[in-house]
Amino acid sequence: DQQVKQNSPSLSVQEGRISILNCDYTNSMFDYFLWYKKYPAEGPTFLISISSIKDKNEDGRFTVFLNKSAKHLSLHIVPSQPGDSAVYFCAAKDRKIIFGKGTRLHILP
Amino acid sequence: EPEVTQTPSHQVTQMGQEVILHCVPISNHLYFYWYRQILGQKVEFLVSFYNNEISEKSEIFDDQFSVERPDGSNFTLKIRSTKLEDSAMYFCASSDGGRAYNEQFFGPGTRLTVL
Repeated sequence: DQQVKQNSPSLSVQEGRISILNCDYTNSMFDYFLWYKKYPAEGPTFLISISSIKDKNEDGRFTVFLNKSAKHLSLHIVPSQPGDSAVYFCAAKDRKIIFGKGTRLHILP
Repeated sequence: EPEVTQTPSHQVTQMGQEVILHCVPISNHLYFYWYRQILGQKVEFLVSFYNNEISEKSEIFDDQFSVERPDGSNFTLKIRSTKLEDSAMYFCASSDGGRAYNEQFFGPGTRLTVL
C-alpha cells in the first residue's frame, strides 16, 4: 500500500545546478505535504511543507510545487550545494504522516 | 537550539524480551510520535500521543506496543515481547501543534537489534 511514492531511488546533480525531486500520491484526502531531509545516523529533518490549497511554497533555496490534479509534488533546490547530499523523504498527512521511500540525492563537485 | 533526544542509541536484545526506548521531546511541545524504519525501507508511523492519550495509531502498533509519558519530560515506547522483525531504527518526534503543527522534530533514533 504505497500512498506516497518516490519513484527515483537516487539522483545525481552537479553543484550549482537545480535538483528536482518528485513525489506522487494516491489519497486525495491528504491536506498537507511535507519534505524531510535525512543524513546517515540522524533523524529526519523537516524542510518545507505545503497545504493542499496552495500550489507553491518557497523558502530560500527550496521550493515545493503541488499539482493536485496530477496528484504530484516536487521539491526544487536551487542552487544545489554539497551539503544537500542526503536522503529526501516526501510525506503526506491526513490523520497521520505517511512517508515515501526516499530519494538519495548526490551533489557532484 | 532545542532538540529531541533519544536513549539508548543502540539496543540489542534477545527475542521475547521486553525493551523500553526513551525519548525526551522538546520541552514546550504537546504532540509526541513514534516512527520506525526497517533497514532499507520507508519511515513508518507507529503512534501519536496528545494530552496523555493515544490520538492515532497504525496497524503496526499492536498489543505488544505501548507508550507512556511517565513524567513531564519523558516519552517511552515499550515493546513487551520482541520479535526478530522488530529490528529497526525507532524515531521519536514532537511538535507544538500550533502554527507549526506539521513540523515534527525528530530525534536521532534508537537502533533496536533483536537476536
